Amino acid sequence: NAGVTQTPKFRVLKTGQSMTLLCAQDMNHEYMYWYRQDPGMGLRLIHYSVGEGTTAKGEVPDGYNVSRLKKQNFLLGLESAAPSQTSVYFCASSYHPSRMNEQYFGPGTRLTVT
Amino acid sequence: AQRVTQPEKLLSVFKGAPVELKCNYSYSGSPELFWYVQYSRQRLQLLLRHISRESIKGFTADLNKGETSFHLKKPFAQEEDSAMYYCALSGPRDNYGQNFVFGPGTRLSVLP
Repeated sequence: NAGVTQTPKFRVLKTGQSMTLLCAQDMNHEYMYWYRQDPGMGLRLIHYSVGEGTTAKGEVPDGYNVSRLKKQNFLLGLESAAPSQTSVYFCASSYHPSRMNEQYFGPGTRLTVT
Repeated sequence: AQRVTQPEKLLSVFKGAPVELKCNYSYSGSPELFWYVQYSRQRLQLLLRHISRESIKGFTADLNKGETSFHLKKPFAQEEDSAMYYCALSGPRDNYGQNFVFGPGTRLSVLP
């Protein structure tokens, strides 16, 4: 049981390049989330998904797209990377759509855009 | 709109001293509050949630609705408590099903 995994762990992009971050969970969780973590800003929700085939915008969705084609995977795409997207990206999942439900986090992806 | 504030970016205490990490929130309804912790080179993990009224690793947190606070406390800090701590709030689901907000985090440093 690997929990929540993220690929890649590190990446350096040039402005304008595109990339996709992959999040996978093997806990059969319904909910999945993408956050970015910036110093002094805490965690900010980018997009989330309440189930396979569904996605929704979070607090800071601009410049990102997501897809949830399979229940276990949640992809985060950057179509045209900008230096402002330099951050650490965390994926998380939770089992049941309950407000009290614990979120399980991945190890993070450190992205630098030059 | 929901908001979580943690006024201290960095908190340093000596081993054995009491520690209190402050968390205040703004929310119009009945919130669900959490504390998450991130140890060095590890992923974020849930520390405790207010509804459980539990003590984890010696930490406790009480929800004070009058002061809209959910401060995290431990009577005797240990060096292994050094980590980044995030307070989080969960509100009612929006049309899509989820509303979860994290504070900016407080880095706790326990000195020997």
